Amino acid sequence: DGGITQSPKYLFRKEGQNVTLSCEQNLNHDAMYWYRQDPGQGLRLIYYSQIVNDFQKGDIAEGYSVSREKKESFPLTVTSAQKNPTAFYLCASRETGHRISTDTQYFGPGTRLTVL
Amino acid sequence: GENVEQHPSTLSVQEGDSAVIKCTYSDSASNYFPWYKQELGKRPQLIIDIRSNVGEKKDQRIAVTLNKTAKHFSLHITETQPEDSAVYFCAASIGDNNNDMRFGAGTRLTVKP
Repeated sequence: DGGITQSPKYLFRKEGQNVTLSCEQNLNHDAMYWYRQDPGQGLRLIYYSQIVNDFQKGDIAEGYSVSREKKESFPLTVTSAQKNPTAFYLCASRETGHRISTDTQYFGPGTRLTVL
Repeated sequence: GENVEQHPSTLSVQEGDSAVIKCTYSDSASNYFPWYKQELGKRPQLIIDIRSNVGEKKDQRIAVTLNKTAKHFSLHITETQPEDSAVYFCAASIGDNNNDMRFGAGTRLTVKP
């Protein structure tokens, strides 16, 4: 999981602003994921992408947008439509295929977003 | 939707004792069950996983058991140490080719020296 990086580590946003969180991986993984983690709660899926130029909504996609123009990169934009964006955001990636080792998701270090 | 429930939410044990965390899942098609350990402010790290064709898996002090019929799986940590203190998450695969995953809400384990 050392091959997945997220930036910035901390991010502060004023209400009404859009912000973009970066996620990059050099593991040559096809699938990438964005999760949101709130205090005392598990991980909730925002969006995921199985392949370049394709992505699907997760359970809490409202107020978020993503793009997947390159295999290595899966940026997440938190828009002003997201009413409660303060949270810890985790990106993950997974190798896809038919080998038994391809089910595991590996996580980046996370970005803590705070709305001021 | 598909759901994973995890219990207990907090667990405190004395160093050297065993700790058990339990999860249940709802999707009968789930076939991959990882466990992650997350230290404060850090990323979740995979500590052990199990597939539906196996009932038990062990790695040193950590073991996981799976009961497909009852749709529950458990994490067992023996001879606990203070460095085992963290939040532990279970998860279950969802969908075709395990593209999706559902996570439990987490268990905060505290090991008292």
